[in-house]
Amino acid sequence: GQQLNQSPQSMFIQEGEDVSMNCTSSSIFNTWLWYKQDPGEGPVLLIALYKAGELTSNGRLTAQFGITRKDSFLNISASIPSDVGIYFCAGRIPNDYKLSFGAGTTVTVRA
Amino acid sequence: EAGVTQSPTHLIKTRGQQATLRCSPISGHTSVYWYQQALGLGLQFLLWYDEGEERNRGNFPPRFSGRQFPNYSSELNVNALELEDSALYLCASRGDIGANVLTFGAGSRLTVL
Repeated sequence: GQQLNQSPQSMFIQEGEDVSMNCTSSSIFNTWLWYKQDPGEGPVLLIALYKAGELTSNGRLTAQFGITRKDSFLNISASIPSDVGIYFCAGRIPNDYKLSFGAGTTVTVRA
Repeated sequence: EAGVTQSPTHLIKTRGQQATLRCSPISGHTSVYWYQQALGLGLQFLLWYDEGEERNRGNFPPRFSGRQFPNYSSELNVNALELEDSALYLCASRGDIGANVLTFGAGSRLTVL
């Protein structure tokens, strides 16, 4: 699959802080997705992006589809303890029906 | 609606044995994907089935195989197990061909001793 570079690999944040993570690809994507995985569970979709420049929010989460179509970021505002988990970016290139995933960003919140 | 269900939740095998993992997609979904998530790593694409046919496979040896049944459920088989096959195996389903989103099950944790 396509290689996605996700950063940072992990982060410790204070409750109430804003968090940002991003993903870059060497290929142009027509879909960017952000998933969250809790321990012992499968990834759950947070936000889906379908157009370059698109900015979409889901509660305290905001994600953007980069203009170059090769990157995306996810912001979490005012973090709370339940934001703990692993966040994955995923993307799809045109005419391909599988998703490629980043290595994940592990978020740990200090109460 | 019921989500993607996987069984077993946990499976322990020894080297050289075979493992079979099962997945039932969301009702109405015809595509099933399998991913491997080794400890601390991202999701690596294994196999994609649609309408009973294998459509694509990732960079894994032939020991990894599977099939999709007429009711769209799927099976992943791993033969001649090796220690490095220990991982969480995730199944996901997708609706029609134009849909971009995969919905995942909770996974099957395979441990090879």
